Amino acid sequence: DTAVSQTPKYLVTQMGNDKSIKCEQNLGHDTMYWYKQDSKKFLKIMFSYNNKELIINETVPNRFSPKSPDKAHLNLHINSLELGDSAVYFCASSLPHGAGGYTFGSGTRLTVV
Amino acid sequence: AQSVTQLGSHVSVSEGALVLLRCNYSSSVPPYLFWYVQYPNQGLQLLLKYTTGATLVKGINGFEAEFKKSETPFHLTKPSAHMSDAAEYFCAVSGYGVSQGNLKFGKGTKLSVKP
Repeated sequence: DTAVSQTPKYLVTQMGNDKSIKCEQNLGHDTMYWYKQDSKKFLKIMFSYNNKELIINETVPNRFSPKSPDKAHLNLHINSLELGDSAVYFCASSLPHGAGGYTFGSGTRLTVV
Repeated sequence: AQSVTQLGSHVSVSEGALVLLRCNYSSSVPPYLFWYVQYPNQGLQLLLKYTTGATLVKGINGFEAEFKKSETPFHLTKPSAHMSDAAEYFCAVSGYGVSQGNLKFGKGTKLSVKP
């Protein structure tokens, strides 16, 4: 059973398109996150949700909009994709405050052409 | 505020040699500390974590790290490197009460293992 699953694993799309990435966790965690890993492997948090409520919203273009229909799901919608959005996007989940550790999905490699 | 600095973007060791990956952190609250490993084209796998309790933390695959209160290192070690250890390693810090678990990562250290 996959603990944190993301779909799709690969996403190739043209500039200007709108795309979504889905994430689901079956760990019973209250907190979910989106991280972006750039071409230099640097990982940076984008958003954090706790029990469907937005907690962290880092400096991310408003073309990125997270949506959490319930505490087990956190989706990421991206409007008007740009070349610079190409990266690997990781979903993660944890107990509150992350004390128990963070479980990551396998990532979605987004390529904008 | 919290931050993590990994020393050395690339470390190369021979098979069977000691692995030492260096990480220094800073935190304004008692920290939670983590090491993650990322194999090529894969996600992040938790190697070990320190939250409370025993300061010598043993993780998977023979890795360990030691938390020393009032000191900043949280280095990752393994007595004997194996070819399968070749991967990217990330140190990360969070803490109770910090932005609902905002996990901050170092820039990563790529470990190469020579036969």
